[in-house]
Amino acid sequence: AQTVTQSQPEMSVQEAETVTLSCTYDTSESNYYLFWYKQPPSRQMILVIRQEAYKQQNATENRFSVNFQKAAKSFSLKISDSQLGDTAMYFCAFMKPIMEYGNKLVFGAGTILRVKS
Amino acid sequence: DTAVSQTPKYLVTQMGNDKSIKCEQNLGHDTMYWYKQDSKKFLKIMFSYNNKELIINETVPNRFSPKSPDKAHLNLHINSLELGDSAVYFCASSQDLAGVRETQYFGPGTRLLVL
Repeated sequence: AQTVTQSQPEMSVQEAETVTLSCTYDTSESNYYLFWYKQPPSRQMILVIRQEAYKQQNATENRFSVNFQKAAKSFSLKISDSQLGDTAMYFCAFMKPIMEYGNKLVFGAGTILRVKS
Repeated sequence: DTAVSQTPKYLVTQMGNDKSIKCEQNLGHDTMYWYKQDSKKFLKIMFSYNNKELIINETVPNRFSPKSPDKAHLNLHINSLELGDSAVYFCASSQDLAGVRETQYFGPGTRLLVL
């Protein structure tokens, strides 16, 4: 079974600075997808960024980028120029795109990020 | 326009009651899901449906019965509610089951409190 580990329960960062959230996962699969979701106090789950395992290039979305290390099974999220609105719980998630697997997302325990002014 | 909507947003009820949570998506997606987020914020899949058919049931008690009347709707009915059912329930949808359009979009969640 796949597992996802987020080893940082809480982190804080000053506004405008950069912060990196860690995620490691365990799988024997070679084809899979990885995601970062953000859950602000409003409770809404918002997709931040996604990475296909077959792509060597790290995904980027504006201020958000990932460092995907397939051999190390590591998928960290870097947030540049942190903003107060980035304050949220961040979840790392793994998905195996096989019909019998039902596309289920396997989530890590989450990291609470607080951006301070 | 809300992509994935859930009703109600809050639900407070007594132990032993039966309740339903409705989910609708207007994205034209084929696949829908239910996730449960417990008091420690841990998220876990409950069900996955594709074209109204159940694909996975992740060892959920049979008191939970999902129903998909059409591709745009996946409702969750819970019988004989227990204290441990208190959680936030999220509905999600994705374009299809296995392919490049598998990103899941979540509804706003339904906070269920069983007293």
